[in-house]
Amino acid sequence: AQTVTQSQPEMSVQEAETVTLSCTYDTSESNYYLFWYKQPPSRQMILVIRQEAYKQQNATENRFSVNFQKAAKSFSLKISDSQLGDTAMYFCAWSYTGANSKLTFGKGITLSVRP
Amino acid sequence: DTGVSQNPRHKITKRGQNVTFRCDPISEHNRLYWYRQTLGQGPEFLTYFQNEAQLEKSRLLSDRFSAERPKGSFSTLEIQRTEQGDSAMYLCASSFVGGTEAFFGQGTRLTVV
Repeated sequence: AQTVTQSQPEMSVQEAETVTLSCTYDTSESNYYLFWYKQPPSRQMILVIRQEAYKQQNATENRFSVNFQKAAKSFSLKISDSQLGDTAMYFCAWSYTGANSKLTFGKGITLSVRP
Repeated sequence: DTGVSQNPRHKITKRGQNVTFRCDPISEHNRLYWYRQTLGQGPEFLTYFQNEAQLEKSRLLSDRFSAERPKGSFSTLEIQRTEQGDSAMYLCASSFVGGTEAFFGQGTRLTVV
Protein backbone atom coordinates (compact mmCIF):
# COMPACT_ATOMS: atom_id res chain seq x y z
CA ALA A 1 0.00 0.00 0.00
CA GLN A 2 1.10 3.52 -0.70
CA THR A 3 1.68 6.01 2.08
CA VAL A 4 2.25 9.74 2.03
CA THR A 5 3.77 11.48 5.04
CA GLN A 6 3.70 15.16 5.85
CA SER A 7 5.37 15.55 9.22
CA GLN A 8 5.05 19.32 9.64
CA PRO A 9 1.53 20.20 10.84
CA GLU A 10 1.93 23.96 10.55
CA MET A 11 4.22 26.53 9.03
CA SER A 12 4.27 30.29 8.91
CA VAL A 13 6.03 32.60 6.47
CA GLN A 14 6.34 36.33 5.98
CA GLU A 15 4.74 37.76 2.88
CA ALA A 16 7.18 37.90 -0.07
CA GLU A 17 9.49 35.29 1.46
CA THR A 18 10.09 31.71 0.36
CA VAL A 19 8.83 28.62 2.15
CA THR A 20 9.36 24.91 1.56
CA LEU A 21 6.81 22.26 2.49
CA SER A 22 8.07 18.70 2.95
CA CYS A 23 6.57 15.40 1.87
CA THR A 24 7.82 11.84 1.75
CA TYR A 25 6.07 8.85 0.28
CA ASP A 26 6.43 5.13 0.01
CA THR A 27 5.46 2.96 -2.93
CA SER A 28 6.66 -0.10 -4.76
CA GLU A 29 5.26 1.19 -8.06
CA SER A 30 7.58 2.62 -10.67
CA ASN A 31 5.02 4.66 -12.59
CA TYR A 32 3.09 7.20 -10.59
CA TYR A 33 2.24 10.85 -10.17
CA LEU A 34 2.80 13.16 -7.26
CA PHE A 35 0.72 16.23 -6.54
CA TRP A 36 0.42 19.18 -4.27
CA TYR A 37 -3.15 20.31 -3.64
CA LYS A 38 -4.19 23.53 -1.91
CA GLN A 39 -7.32 23.75 0.23
CA PRO A 40 -8.14 27.36 1.22
CA PRO A 41 -10.47 27.84 4.20
CA SER A 42 -14.03 26.87 3.26
CA ARG A 43 -13.14 26.48 -0.40
CA GLN A 44 -12.54 23.54 -2.64
CA MET A 45 -9.26 21.80 -3.10
CA ILE A 46 -7.33 22.86 -6.19
CA LEU A 47 -4.28 21.40 -7.88
CA VAL A 48 -1.11 23.42 -7.39
CA ILE A 49 1.44 21.31 -9.20
CA ARG A 50 1.95 17.82 -10.60
CA GLN A 51 5.06 15.69 -11.15
CA GLU A 52 5.33 12.56 -13.27
CA ALA A 53 7.68 10.06 -11.65
CA TYR A 54 9.38 9.18 -14.93
CA LYS A 55 10.42 12.78 -15.48
CA GLN A 56 13.71 13.81 -13.93
CA GLN A 57 13.04 17.50 -14.41
CA ASN A 58 11.32 19.15 -11.48
CA ALA A 59 7.91 20.66 -12.23
CA THR A 60 7.42 24.41 -12.00
CA GLU A 61 4.25 26.50 -12.09
CA ASN A 62 4.91 30.21 -11.72
CA ARG A 63 5.85 30.77 -8.04
CA PHE A 64 5.52 27.09 -7.20
CA SER A 65 8.21 24.51 -7.81
CA VAL A 66 9.00 21.04 -6.53
CA ASN A 67 12.13 19.19 -5.53
CA PHE A 68 11.49 15.60 -6.56
CA GLN A 69 14.02 13.10 -5.25
CA LYS A 70 12.82 9.73 -6.53
CA ALA A 71 15.44 7.57 -4.83
CA ALA A 72 14.80 9.25 -1.49
CA LYS A 73 11.02 9.24 -2.12
CA SER A 74 10.87 12.88 -1.27
CA PHE A 75 8.66 15.53 -2.89
CA SER A 76 8.86 19.03 -1.44
CA LEU A 77 7.02 22.15 -2.56
CA LYS A 78 8.73 25.53 -2.70
CA ILE A 79 6.58 28.65 -2.74
CA SER A 80 8.48 31.76 -3.75
CA ASP A 81 7.34 35.34 -3.11
CA SER A 82 4.63 34.14 -0.72
CA GLN A 83 1.31 35.97 -0.95
CA LEU A 84 -1.52 36.33 1.55
CA GLY A 85 -3.69 34.24 -0.78
CA ASP A 86 -1.32 31.32 -0.31
CA THR A 87 -2.69 30.85 3.21
CA ALA A 88 -4.31 27.41 3.10
CA MET A 89 -3.87 23.75 3.90
CA TYR A 90 -1.53 22.01 1.50
CA PHE A 91 -1.78 18.32 0.80
CA CYS A 92 0.79 16.12 -0.82
CA ALA A 93 -0.78 13.26 -2.79
CA TRP A 94 0.17 10.20 -4.83
CA SER A 95 -1.61 8.35 -7.57
CA TYR A 96 -0.87 5.38 -9.75
CA THR A 97 -0.70 5.95 -13.49
CA GLY A 98 -2.80 2.86 -14.17
CA ALA A 99 -6.54 2.49 -14.55
CA ASN A 100 -7.53 3.81 -11.14
CA SER A 101 -6.08 7.22 -10.49
CA LYS A 102 -7.44 7.56 -6.95
CA LEU A 103 -5.38 9.81 -4.76
CA THR A 104 -3.58 8.89 -1.56
CA PHE A 105 -3.13 12.02 0.56
CA GLY A 106 -0.86 13.04 3.39
CA LYS A 107 -2.27 14.65 6.52
CA GLY A 108 -1.67 18.11 5.19
CA ILE A 109 0.13 21.18 6.46
CA THR A 110 -1.46 24.47 7.44
CA LEU A 111 0.46 27.36 5.91
CA SER A 112 -0.07 30.86 7.20
CA VAL A 113 1.33 33.85 5.33
CA ARG A 114 1.89 36.84 7.61
CA PRO A 115 1.48 40.40 6.24
CA ASP B 1 -20.82 27.09 -13.45
CA THR B 2 -18.73 24.25 -14.84
CA GLY B 3 -17.16 23.11 -11.57
CA VAL B 4 -18.01 20.15 -9.34
CA SER B 5 -21.08 20.88 -7.25
CA GLN B 6 -22.00 19.21 -3.98
CA ASN B 7 -25.22 19.50 -2.02
CA PRO B 8 -25.94 20.13 0.72
CA ARG B 9 -22.91 22.03 1.94
CA HIS B 10 -23.71 21.26 5.55
CA LYS B 11 -25.84 18.58 7.16
CA ILE B 12 -26.59 18.07 10.83
CA THR B 13 -28.35 14.85 11.68
CA LYS B 14 -29.19 12.80 14.72
CA ARG B 15 -27.46 9.52 15.32
CA GLY B 16 -29.34 6.70 13.66
CA GLN B 17 -30.83 8.78 10.86
CA ASN B 18 -30.12 8.25 7.18
CA VAL B 19 -28.52 10.98 5.08
CA THR B 20 -27.91 11.38 1.37
CA PHE B 21 -25.44 13.66 -0.37
CA ARG B 22 -25.36 14.59 -4.01
CA CYS B 23 -22.45 15.35 -6.33
CA ASP B 24 -22.72 16.85 -9.80
CA PRO B 25 -19.40 16.41 -11.60
CA ILE B 26 -18.03 18.42 -14.47
CA SER B 27 -20.27 17.30 -17.30
CA GLU B 28 -17.64 15.82 -19.61
CA HIS B 29 -15.91 13.86 -16.86
CA ASN B 30 -16.56 10.14 -16.80
CA ARG B 31 -14.76 9.41 -13.53
CA LEU B 32 -16.22 10.38 -10.19
CA TYR B 33 -14.60 9.87 -6.80
CA TRP B 34 -15.81 10.13 -3.22
CA TYR B 35 -13.41 10.91 -0.37
CA ARG B 36 -13.88 11.45 3.35
CA GLN B 37 -11.87 14.01 5.28
CA THR B 38 -11.86 14.11 9.07
CA LEU B 39 -10.44 16.95 11.14
CA GLY B 40 -6.69 17.15 10.94
CA GLN B 41 -6.42 14.46 8.28
CA GLY B 42 -6.06 14.33 4.55
CA PRO B 43 -8.90 13.03 2.40
CA GLU B 44 -9.30 9.25 2.31
CA PHE B 45 -10.58 7.43 -0.74
CA LEU B 46 -14.03 5.85 -0.42
CA THR B 47 -15.13 4.78 -3.87
CA TYR B 48 -15.03 5.69 -7.54
CA PHE B 49 -17.17 5.34 -10.64
CA GLN B 50 -16.35 5.22 -14.28
CA ASN B 51 -19.51 6.29 -16.01
CA GLU B 52 -22.26 4.41 -14.13
CA ALA B 53 -20.07 1.51 -13.00
CA GLN B 54 -18.73 1.50 -9.45
CA LEU B 55 -15.25 0.08 -9.95
CA GLU B 56 -13.69 0.16 -6.51
CA LYS B 57 -14.78 0.52 -2.91
CA SER B 58 -12.48 1.17 0.01
CA ARG B 59 -12.64 -0.90 3.19
CA LEU B 60 -13.71 2.39 4.80
CA LEU B 61 -17.02 2.05 2.98
CA SER B 62 -18.95 -0.10 5.43
CA ASP B 63 -22.23 -1.71 4.47
CA ARG B 64 -24.04 1.32 5.91
CA PHE B 65 -22.66 3.34 3.01
CA SER B 66 -23.94 3.10 -0.53
CA ALA B 67 -23.10 5.14 -3.57
CA GLU B 68 -24.73 5.31 -6.95
CA ARG B 69 -24.20 7.08 -10.21
CA PRO B 70 -27.25 6.47 -12.35
CA LYS B 71 -26.74 7.12 -16.06
CA GLY B 72 -23.17 8.15 -15.39
CA SER B 73 -24.11 11.69 -14.46
CA PHE B 74 -24.59 12.87 -10.86
CA SER B 75 -23.79 10.63 -7.93
CA THR B 76 -25.33 10.12 -4.52
CA LEU B 77 -23.71 8.87 -1.34
CA GLU B 78 -26.09 7.54 1.30
CA ILE B 79 -25.20 6.75 4.88
CA GLN B 80 -27.70 4.66 6.80
CA ARG B 81 -28.01 4.58 10.58
CA THR B 82 -25.46 7.37 11.01
CA GLU B 83 -22.94 7.19 13.84
CA GLN B 84 -20.94 9.94 15.47
CA GLY B 85 -17.85 8.57 13.80
CA ASP B 86 -19.38 9.41 10.43
CA SER B 87 -18.96 13.12 11.17
CA ALA B 88 -16.59 14.38 8.49
CA MET B 89 -16.30 16.35 5.28
CA TYR B 90 -17.37 14.27 2.29
CA LEU B 91 -15.59 15.35 -0.88
CA CYS B 92 -16.47 14.55 -4.45
CA ALA B 93 -14.04 14.85 -7.34
CA SER B 94 -14.26 14.18 -11.05
CA SER B 95 -11.83 13.66 -13.90
CA PHE B 96 -11.46 12.28 -17.39
CA VAL B 97 -10.41 8.67 -17.83
CA GLY B 98 -6.64 8.83 -18.01
CA GLY B 99 -6.70 12.38 -16.78
CA THR B 100 -4.15 13.34 -14.18
CA GLU B 101 -6.04 16.18 -12.57
CA ALA B 102 -9.02 15.61 -10.30
CA PHE B 103 -11.37 18.55 -9.78
CA PHE B 104 -12.92 18.75 -6.34
CA GLY B 105 -16.22 20.09 -5.08
CA GLN B 106 -16.49 22.16 -1.92
CA GLY B 107 -17.64 19.15 0.06
CA THR B 108 -20.54 18.32 2.34
CA ARG B 109 -19.80 18.68 6.03
CA LEU B 110 -21.73 16.11 8.04
CA THR B 111 -22.21 16.48 11.77
CA VAL B 112 -23.85 13.60 13.62
CA VAL B 113 -25.21 14.59 17.04
